[in-house]
Amino acid sequence: DAGVIQSPRHEVTEMGQEVTLRCKPISGHNSLFWYRQTMMRGLELLIYFNNNVPIDDSGMPEDRFSAKMPNASFSTLKIQPSEPRDSAVYFCASSLGTVGNEQFFGPGTRLTVL
Amino acid sequence: AQSVAQPEDQVNVAEGNPLTVKCTYSVSGNPYLFWYVQYPNRGLQFLLKYITGDNLVKGSYGFEAEFNKSQTSFHLKKPSALVSDSALYFCAVRDMERGSQGNLIFGKGTKLSVKP
Repeated sequence: DAGVIQSPRHEVTEMGQEVTLRCKPISGHNSLFWYRQTMMRGLELLIYFNNNVPIDDSGMPEDRFSAKMPNASFSTLKIQPSEPRDSAVYFCASSLGTVGNEQFFGPGTRLTVL
Repeated sequence: AQSVAQPEDQVNVAEGNPLTVKCTYSVSGNPYLFWYVQYPNRGLQFLLKYITGDNLVKGSYGFEAEFNKSQTSFHLKKPSALVSDSALYFCAVRDMERGSQGNLIFGKGTKLSVKP
């Protein structure tokens, strides 16, 4: 199994531009999570899906952030417009969404907004 | 409110010595507890978990953790540290309030540094 796949691995963009991060979860997993990691705030859960349905998006910072999961094998996290304070590493993770199952993390996307 | 605390930002250990990374939690009901490790520029990797049963849980890379219900702790341990164990370690507990889809609450992380 290839594990959780994220693209791009690095993204550098200018303030105001749209950014789209992509994630392919492990085949057969039915829960998907988006996290953001910064030195100041640590690891923050942004949103998670179960069976392609958003369950909790209370961690999404503001309306500039949106996430979709059109099918079981693909999810996107979009930031529009991007701001310098969005600079962080964004992780996607997936799991079998039953009690007690661990999450498997992707390698992350390092986003830099200039 | 549910929470996970890792009281030490950094732990320094000499190679060959035992190591402990501390974690305490606060949740309602029986906790489901996890440890993850993050190497530089990598995603988090699962180490071990406690769901039920034996309080001493063994995991990857020789790590183990002891669940202590009375102290609400789940400390990570290893009898003999390796330089390659140097990384960032996260403790997590299953979120009991947001449903049953496996959402986790993570601690702030503890940086483990093992010197030769």
